[in-house]
Amino acid sequence: DGGITQSPKYLFRKEGQNVTLSCEQNLNHDAMYWYRQDPGQGLRLIYYSQIVNDFQKGDIAEGYSVSREKKESFPLTVTSAQKNPTAFYLCASSSQGQGAYNEQFFGPGTRLTVL
Amino acid sequence: QKEVEQNSGPLSVPEGAIASLNCTYSDRGSQSFFWYRQYSGKSPELIMSIYSNGDKEDGRFTAQLNKASQYVSLLIRDSQPSDSATYLCAVIAQNKLIFGTGTLLAVQP
Repeated sequence: DGGITQSPKYLFRKEGQNVTLSCEQNLNHDAMYWYRQDPGQGLRLIYYSQIVNDFQKGDIAEGYSVSREKKESFPLTVTSAQKNPTAFYLCASSSQGQGAYNEQFFGPGTRLTVL
Repeated sequence: QKEVEQNSGPLSVPEGAIASLNCTYSDRGSQSFFWYRQYSGKSPELIMSIYSNGDKEDGRFTAQLNKASQYVSLLIRDSQPSDSATYLCAVIAQNKLIFGTGTLLAVQP
């Protein structure tokens, strides 16, 4: 069953803690993305990766870090430097990272709440 | 000016009617256009992609693109209560996928 999985579904963090959100895909997609969604706002790009061992900052990368050691996996760490981390985090993937036909498909999301 | 603009709604239509969702974009070089459906509390689901001017039909959904007017729309025929969701317009501009804030559609039984 091909798809994108994210875990956990819900995550609670105390202030000052780092937390890592998992994203795995078995679609054999080259590119993977992390977005953040806040109420009333569009999806905002945090980081993306077009190939293993390479990634680029998106529009709101401050306070976040990523790694891409395997094609299937693109974990996101929300660090204590992120001042307002409470949000819905969405991982996506696409068969290629650039080009006009870059259809992106989303995982189920992780809802992070800071206590 | 926002890069991708949508009316936030809610757009309320009776069951069986045609729902018309609209989106404008600012970058004339945009090449690809997508509609995603997002149910409350869930992640976005890709429902339509359109790359050239004109209409593209898929079941009850029709996407319409007018690059000269920088306008893309989604028509939903025979609307059902299960179509009630937020519809996100997304555009590829300068190799990035840019999302609008979405239009909330409510289909009344």
